[in-house]
Amino acid sequence: AQKVTQAQTEISVVEKEDVTLDCVYETRDTTYYLFWYKQPPSGELVFLIRRNSFDEQNEISGRYSWNFQKSTSSFNFTITASQVVDSAVYFCALSEALYNFNKFYFGSGTKLNVKP
Amino acid sequence: SAVISQKPSRDICQRGTSLTIQCQVDSQVTMMFWYRQQPGQSLTLIATANQGSEATYESGFVIDKFPISRPNLTFSTLTVSNMSPEDSSIYLCSVGVSGANVLTFGAGSRLTVL
Repeated sequence: AQKVTQAQTEISVVEKEDVTLDCVYETRDTTYYLFWYKQPPSGELVFLIRRNSFDEQNEISGRYSWNFQKSTSSFNFTITASQVVDSAVYFCALSEALYNFNKFYFGSGTKLNVKP
Repeated sequence: SAVISQKPSRDICQRGTSLTIQCQVDSQVTMMFWYRQQPGQSLTLIATANQGSEATYESGFVIDKFPISRPNLTFSTLTVSNMSPEDSSIYLCSVGVSGANVLTFGAGSRLTVL
């Protein structure tokens, strides 16, 4: 069965610290897509990244980086030099098919608190 | 990506009443969905809003409780009927845009039922 696990319920760091949010997934499909979304206190989910199962290259975007490892079924998200504005709930998600949007599986989310 | 506007952004309602949430998209989209996020929880898909036909509901959600309309490719409504405190949640409209391959969300409607 498809499942996304975010074992870290809540993380607190001090500004400028690096922090890694863990995501472990389960799927029987060989083709799938992984996502990270950010939900600030305002409530809107903001898309951060999408990776497909064929591309295990790590990605860096500014202070954000993602480590995708199929061998361990993990798609971890690292924020370097965290800032207060990074405080939010972060969701990892799995989708089985590119156009089957109704098959999104979300993790339970990790709440990140960045203190000044 | 598509821009989604949801109304109301928040509301406080009395038990037994109904509330309709509106979702307006700035472009025509094929796929529209309604999600529920209970306090401190993850997102749960309520239904797929189908243009011109009845919505497709996920297990645990029924049309009598969550009637959905989708009169065109840019607009949908979700009604939460006969509300109870257990319905207190954030309700999110989302769209899937072919080609963009990303699920885009509105800001959500935060509903509190007293």
